[in-house]
Amino acid sequence: DAGVIQSPRHEVTEMGQEVTLRCKPISGHNSLFWYRQTMMRGLELLIYFNNNVPIDDSGMPEDRFSAKMPNASFSTLKIQPSEPRDSAVYFCASSLFGAGDGYTFGSGTRLTVV
Amino acid sequence: KNEVEQSPQNLTAQEGEFITINCSYSVGISALHWLQQHPGGGIVSLFMLSSGKKKHGRLIATINIQEKHSSLHITASHPRDSAVYICAVHGTASKLTFGTGTRLQVTL
Repeated sequence: DAGVIQSPRHEVTEMGQEVTLRCKPISGHNSLFWYRQTMMRGLELLIYFNNNVPIDDSGMPEDRFSAKMPNASFSTLKIQPSEPRDSAVYFCASSLFGAGDGYTFGSGTRLTVV
Repeated sequence: KNEVEQSPQNLTAQEGEFITINCSYSVGISALHWLQQHPGGGIVSLFMLSSGKKKHGRLIATINIQEKHSSLHITASHPRDSAVYICAVHGTASKLTFGTGTRLQVTL
């Protein structure tokens, strides 16, 4: 397995533009997580899905953020409109719920909003 | 107060030294992770444990559930161990709550 695949690796966009981040979890994993990492706040959970259903989105900053998981092999995180304070590294991770191991992170998307 | 506290925040060691990083948490957990993040940003899960001790190469992780405390040990440290080490806990759900990380620098 190629691991958790995120795209793009880097994104630079202008304030006000829509940004879409993509994630392909490890095949067979049934939980998917979106995290954000900033210097000020460290790693924070934005949302997670179990069996493609959003379970907890309390970490989503505001209505500008939305996430979908249309099937077990794909998820998107969308920011519309983007703002400079959204600049961060966004990580996707997947796991098999209840398993003792196998929590795997993607390489992250470094987002810069100018 | 953060739910997950790590110490120290920064650590510098010479090659070959034995290193200990500590993690204390204040909530009930089902499991605890130790993560490693190198410059450049990728995050790797080193250990996931819910009791006792796990060992992988020069890395050892222990957890004491009663005391809500875990330690990560690195024996015979090497410059390539330089990274940020992050403690993270599973609560009642699968999501992780993270410590602020320990930045380790191992010098020659």
